[in-house]
Amino acid sequence: DADVTQTPRNRITKTGKRIMLECSQTKGHDRMYWYRQDPGLGLRLIYYSFDVKDINKGEISDGYSVSRQAQAKFSLSLESAIPNQTALYFCATSAGILGNQPQHFGDGTRLSIL
Amino acid sequence: AQKVTQAQTEISVVEKEDVTLDCVYETRDTTYYLFWYKQPPSGELVFLIRRNSFDEQNEISGRYSWNFQKSTSSFNFTITASQVVDSAVYFCALENAGGTSYGKLTFGQGTILTVHP
Repeated sequence: DADVTQTPRNRITKTGKRIMLECSQTKGHDRMYWYRQDPGLGLRLIYYSFDVKDINKGEISDGYSVSRQAQAKFSLSLESAIPNQTALYFCATSAGILGNQPQHFGDGTRLSIL
Repeated sequence: AQKVTQAQTEISVVEKEDVTLDCVYETRDTTYYLFWYKQPPSGELVFLIRRNSFDEQNEISGRYSWNFQKSTSSFNFTITASQVVDSAVYFCALENAGGTSYGKLTFGQGTILTVHP
């Protein structure tokens, strides 16, 4: 089983709809992250959380919100989806101990907004 | 602010050729970490290497090697005797050890490597 699981893997929806992307992990990591990937832009950080009661905005948080329901779960919501939010979304986790451990990524959610 | 630049958008080589992927970074911090990730056509991101700013030793892992030069703020990645399975998008990333960028990765734009048979 994957250590970092994202659901759904693919989603097509319409402009204006509310969408939730979910991420769960079995690695026991405290830190969780949401990124989006667009061609030619690499990955950009949307939100991150260093523990259950900690939520921080990343580089491109407008139009998104998150919830850290438990250490193992971190969900990303698009309250009213718009076409330019069409992208590949990744969840990641890291241990955050002994300085800057590598982030481990889920397999991604491909989101298309029509 | 920190920045990572991968100037090569796409590279195309023939199998068995050596190929170097360039990565240049900018940061004001003296302590930081550099990473390389691979994204094969299946889409997942695979961690390849982590290097801290105090360790300038080059590293070799099989056909992969990394050259870290603080003087030029570069962390280049070389694949020796490339294979078709090396075809992927490769990302370089930077994470500061402190300050407002602590715990956050800044990615380069990625380099698409295609290895032809």
